[in-house]
Amino acid sequence: AQSVTQLGSHVSVSEGALVLLRCNYSSSVPPYLFWYVQYPNQGLQLLLKYTSAATLVKGINGFEAEFKKSETSFHLTKPSAHMSDAAEYFCAVTRSGTASKLTFGTGTRLQVTL
Amino acid sequence: EAGVTQFPSHSVIEKGQTVTLRCDPISGHDNLYWYRRVMGKEIKFLLHFVKESKQDESGMPNNRFLAERTGGTYSTLKVQPAELEDSGVYFCASSHGTAYGYTFGSGTRLTVV
Repeated sequence: AQSVTQLGSHVSVSEGALVLLRCNYSSSVPPYLFWYVQYPNQGLQLLLKYTSAATLVKGINGFEAEFKKSETSFHLTKPSAHMSDAAEYFCAVTRSGTASKLTFGTGTRLQVTL
Repeated sequence: EAGVTQFPSHSVIEKGQTVTLRCDPISGHDNLYWYRRVMGKEIKFLLHFVKESKQDESGMPNNRFLAERTGGTYSTLKVQPAELEDSGVYFCASSHGTAYGYTFGSGTRLTVV
């Protein structure tokens, strides 16, 4: 079985500050990991994915995440927050090499303040 | 390429009624998934089609939910009869394969009153 834990259901940062959203996973097999973002009244948009190539993954809108097997983590970062980053972010895991289901974390709502 | 399309975007029905949600995946994607998010909770898997076959339906909550995928193209998810706890946002996703990622639709917000 696989699971994802996202620490912090709500995170607030100032515009221009570092964004750090935490994700820890549990998986008995090599995982693929994903970060999705949901803006208000929109669907889920893929930010980035780890599929066993480079451990540091760069995504859209300046986000990146690092896969750390020893820490079972896949934290999402962005050096400088922008107001437009305010959204809900979801970390998800699946088995590598298959087309099986995603298991999601509970989501982290990011608020960006002036 | 066109994305994953879901409709309706919103549906409000009374308890005991029937509702059918539709998902049109990206053309050529054999894998189609349904997920649901109940308010305040995590997004949960419902089922997975490969072409027209159900690969994994372990997340379907009960037999009031019926999913079909006609000819391996679009899919429908019928809830009959609807209960209050069925309220939530239903997402559909399609994939060419895991390494390529999963593309999600905008979701259908179902409210059962």
